Amino acid sequence: EDQVTQSPEALRLQEGESSSLNCSYTVSGLRGLFWYRQDPGKGPEFLFTLYSAGEEKEKERLKATLTKKESFLHITAPKPEDSATYLCARGIREKLTFGTGTRLTIIP
Amino acid sequence: GAVVSQHPSRVICKSGTSVKIECRSLDFQATTMFWYRQFPKKSLMLMATSNEGSKATYEQGVEKDKFLINHASLTLSTLTVTSAHPEDSSFYICSASSAYEQYFGPGTRLTVT
Repeated sequence: EDQVTQSPEALRLQEGESSSLNCSYTVSGLRGLFWYRQDPGKGPEFLFTLYSAGEEKEKERLKATLTKKESFLHITAPKPEDSATYLCARGIREKLTFGTGTRLTIIP
Repeated sequence: GAVVSQHPSRVICKSGTSVKIECRSLDFQATTMFWYRQFPKKSLMLMATSNEGSKATYEQGVEKDKFLINHASLTLSTLTVTSAHPEDSSFYICSASSAYEQYFGPGTRLTVT
């Protein structure tokens, strides 16, 4: 069974300070890697799906990358509104295994 | 596109009563819907997978007689928490599967007093 680990557990950045979040997993193979954003008291919001090592996807200040054993979510010049918990998950669409998330706080 | 709604967003009920939560995919048909439970500052725990017109598949440790799931149409799944107790208080989130991704509802906060 796939295990998904996210680090760091929490991250505080100054506005404009770029950084990366990590998601590592134990089972290789043809499974999707999904990134979600979750605001407090809300359901997760879909961000990206990655399938192949070397694949990259971008959306505004976020870029997700994938290797054989981990994925990174790069945040460039973040703004306070980027503060949220970022979840990654592995699996095929029928069943996802979630990591515990990274709580990101952007300080104005 | 890919909007999933849940109702109610919050519910408070007394111990021993039953509560029904609805999950709807608003702009696509979902053959598969999922129910998750999330504890404070924890990740999502899959409770069950429901396919339209068939019985739900429950994850290990989830009581199927307590958490009744019905998926009567391609756009609606319901979760009924029967004889609720304070330990059932939690944040319940549904998701619906499109061709490639799962899209989540906004969640339902259940408080059992």
